[in-house]
Amino acid sequence: AAGVIQSPRHLIKEKRETATLKCYPIPRHDTVYWYQQGPGQDPQFLISFYEKMQSDKGSIPDRFSAQQFSDYHSELNMSSLELGDSALYFCASTRLTDLNTEAFFGQGTRLTVV
Amino acid sequence: QKEVEQDPGPLSVPEGAIVSLNCTYSNSAFQYFMWYRQYSRKGPELLMYTYSSGNKEDGRFTAQVDKSSKYISLFIRDSQPSDSATYLCAMVVYNFNKFYFGSGTKLNVKP
Repeated sequence: AAGVIQSPRHLIKEKRETATLKCYPIPRHDTVYWYQQGPGQDPQFLISFYEKMQSDKGSIPDRFSAQQFSDYHSELNMSSLELGDSALYFCASTRLTDLNTEAFFGQGTRLTVV
Repeated sequence: QKEVEQDPGPLSVPEGAIVSLNCTYSNSAFQYFMWYRQYSRKGPELLMYTYSSGNKEDGRFTAQVDKSSKYISLFIRDSQPSDSATYLCAMVVYNFNKFYFGSGTKLNVKP
């Protein structure tokens, strides 16, 4: 079965550069969540989208922005990267219009800022 | 205080043991409860998903929810070394706008 696809899997950027992370949800899923997970930390919620509209916002820095496109894929844009942005970035998807449905995570993008 | 509390462990058990992993929560609005397994440097993998009090069984895994006590558990029977991972509980309110995670319990099953 198709899963949540994230690209790239690994990314190395220098400080002050820009990065774009992509998330392709499971087909028919309408909701995407972005999480940041530092080493040994639990996932921290960044932002979520439902039907291409932002539905909730967590601890996402102003340097980051995200959107969900008409095909439901989502992109997380990170500018002026800092060393502290180095983390695993996960996206998860679910189909909110069907209640009692599960949410699945992608394998993550490991961002290293040097 | 975090909305979801989970003992970080590590929890070390011999192969074949029954493992009990637990989370408590404070928000009575949580309606959906999930357990994820995460291997090092990988994405969380959904193990169990429940939305009502009681038990739900899937193979060697049993998820238990007690909404009156705001307490959920995951039991693993006949634990295997391949079960060694970090187990995250996650909870969602009815509108699924975001998940609330526990801090994860690191489990080590020794051969």
